[in-house]
Amino acid sequence: GEDVEQSLFLSVREGDSSVINCTYTDSSSTYLYWYKQEPGAGLQLLTYIFSNMDMKQDQRLTVLLNKKDKHLSLRIADTQTGDSAIYFCAERSGYALNFGKGTSLLVTP
Amino acid sequence: EPEVTQTPSHQVTQMGQEVILRCVPISNHLYFYWYRQILGQKVEFLVSFYNNEISEKSEIFDDQFSVERPDGSNFTLKIRSTKLEDSAMYFCASSGTEAFFGQGTRLTVV
Repeated sequence: GEDVEQSLFLSVREGDSSVINCTYTDSSSTYLYWYKQEPGAGLQLLTYIFSNMDMKQDQRLTVLLNKKDKHLSLRIADTQTGDSAIYFCAERSGYALNFGKGTSLLVTP
Repeated sequence: EPEVTQTPSHQVTQMGQEVILRCVPISNHLYFYWYRQILGQKVEFLVSFYNNEISEKSEIFDDQFSVERPDGSNFTLKIRSTKLEDSAMYFCASSGTEAFFGQGTRLTVV
């Protein structure tokens, strides 16, 4: 099956920017998503980008898509301790979303 | 923000028993899904449902699993004879362009 890869851990200081990276293999992906999961909770949709876009900004979140390299990133500006969570990248080509294993973001004071 | 609602939030069942997990998708969405997440692992696709039929399913979704939309609002996942390895968090999702997930049902099979 198609793969979605993410680094497992990221640690940043409060106030810094965080950049979470994701690569995928399915060249027919139409939408790419970022979800946030706090401990014991569900998947919160943060943002998504259509595959014909290369950037989307939504308040503190910036998504960059390099379709040629199949690389997606999520930048969180002014990272806060409340941003500590697992962040999942997901791609969609047909009906289903295909998820990465998630990046655990730790924000330290 | 629109919301997908799942019940129950927790379910404990004995091995071999049938369970039904319930979901109320977002009302104007046409695509519905079930995913599962075994503790500490990635979110895995089970099945998608469109126009009152299964549109896609994964290898995990074997004959023990079934889905139904019994009325205009509910979307259910049935596991006929639960196994220990079915213990997981089960997420329902619905989508138009944006795919929204419910808070999940934690299923524990003992």
